[in-house]
Amino acid sequence: AQSVSQHNHHVILSEAASLELGCNYSYGGTVNLFWYVQYPGQHLQLLLKYFSGDPLVKGIKGFEAEFIKSKFSFNLRKPSVQWSDTAEYFCALLGNNRLAFGKGNQVVVIP
Amino acid sequence: NAGVTQTPKFRILKIGQSMTLQCTQDMNHNYMYWYRQDPGMGLKLIYYSVGAGITDKGEVPNGYNVSRSTTEDFPLRLELAAPSQTSVYFCASSDPGSSGNTIYFGEGSWLTVV
Repeated sequence: AQSVSQHNHHVILSEAASLELGCNYSYGGTVNLFWYVQYPGQHLQLLLKYFSGDPLVKGIKGFEAEFIKSKFSFNLRKPSVQWSDTAEYFCALLGNNRLAFGKGNQVVVIP
Repeated sequence: NAGVTQTPKFRILKIGQSMTLQCTQDMNHNYMYWYRQDPGMGLKLIYYSVGAGITDKGEVPNGYNVSRSTTEDFPLRLELAAPSQTSVYFCASSDPGSSGNTIYFGEGSWLTVV
């Protein structure tokens, strides 16, 4: 069975700071990896996804993620955050027809 | 396209009552999922379906039932509501062929059991 781990559940940072959220996974098959964002009171929206090819994936709103197979990781980054990036971020792994989520990172950006 | 549509958006149930959360998608996706989201716990898979007539249990199926009589619809049934089922429920769909394994989510259903 697959599993996804996210650390540092609560992250508080100031505008213009850089953000990096860690994601580690456990799965023996071909990985499809995702980062979703959930703004307060809203549903999940896809930020970016990795299926194959270039391990550095660019997403919407200036986010990017890097797939490192040797470390079983898919960390999310943004060089300079804005107040509007306040949200919860979920890493997810698709395997065996099932999407497994990490517990999420609650990110608060202070103006 | 409407995408994935869930109803109702909000509902309060009394302990022991039953109800059905409706989910329909108009993207002709074969795969559909039901998740529940609890604070600090991420999303947990309740049930999923890989096609009409096929359903399977996820991580937390107890207390729930599903059916998949058509490709479009995947209702989630709570037979005897319990306070532990107070949560936000998300329906989702995907199709590896047409959507490239991207999973699309509905807007969520907030359920409170009192």
